[in-house]
Amino acid sequence: DAGVIQSPRHEVTEMGQEVTLRCKPISGHNSLFWYRQTMMRGLELLIYFNNNVPIDDSGMPEDRFSAKMPNASFSTLKIQPSEPRDSAVYFCASRIVNTEAFFGQGTRLTVV
Amino acid sequence: AQSVAQPEDQVNVAEGNPLTVKCTYSVSGNPYLFWYVQYPNRGLQFLLKYITGDNLVKGSYGFEAEFNKSQTSFHLKKPSALVSDSALYFCAVSRNAGNMLTFGGGTRLMVKP
Repeated sequence: DAGVIQSPRHEVTEMGQEVTLRCKPISGHNSLFWYRQTMMRGLELLIYFNNNVPIDDSGMPEDRFSAKMPNASFSTLKIQPSEPRDSAVYFCASRIVNTEAFFGQGTRLTVV
Repeated sequence: AQSVAQPEDQVNVAEGNPLTVKCTYSVSGNPYLFWYVQYPNRGLQFLLKYITGDNLVKGSYGFEAEFNKSQTSFHLKKPSALVSDSALYFCAVSRNAGNMLTFGGGTRLMVKP
């Protein structure tokens, strides 16, 4: 398996634009996590899904953020409109329940 | 609620010396505990886990961790540090009946030659 695949690896966008981050989890994994990493706040859990259903989205910072998982092999995290303070590295991770999570390489988002 | 505390932002060790990176947790029920390492511009890589059984867990790259239920700790250790071990280390906890994975704030390990 190629592991968790995230795209794009880097994204530079202007403030106010819509940004969509994509994630393909490892086949057979039934949980998917979106994390955000910044120097100031460290690694923050934004949302996680079990069997494609959002379980906890309390970490989603604002209504500007939304996440979907239309099927077991794909998830998106959308920011609309984007702001400079959204600049961070966004990680997707997947796991089978109660085993270790596998992380993607991350998407480095810069909003100017 | 579940949480993880890594009390040290940074740990400095000389190459060849033993290292310890501390982690304490809070969770209801039996904990599932994990250590991850992150190198610059990379994602998190799994090092080791405690699910059940022996309190001393051995993982990748010569690392090990000891689960201490009474102290709710899961410290990461290595007998002899390498310069290449320099990285950011994260401890994480998951409740056995749940699936949410909570990470600590991370500890930067610096191994000096």
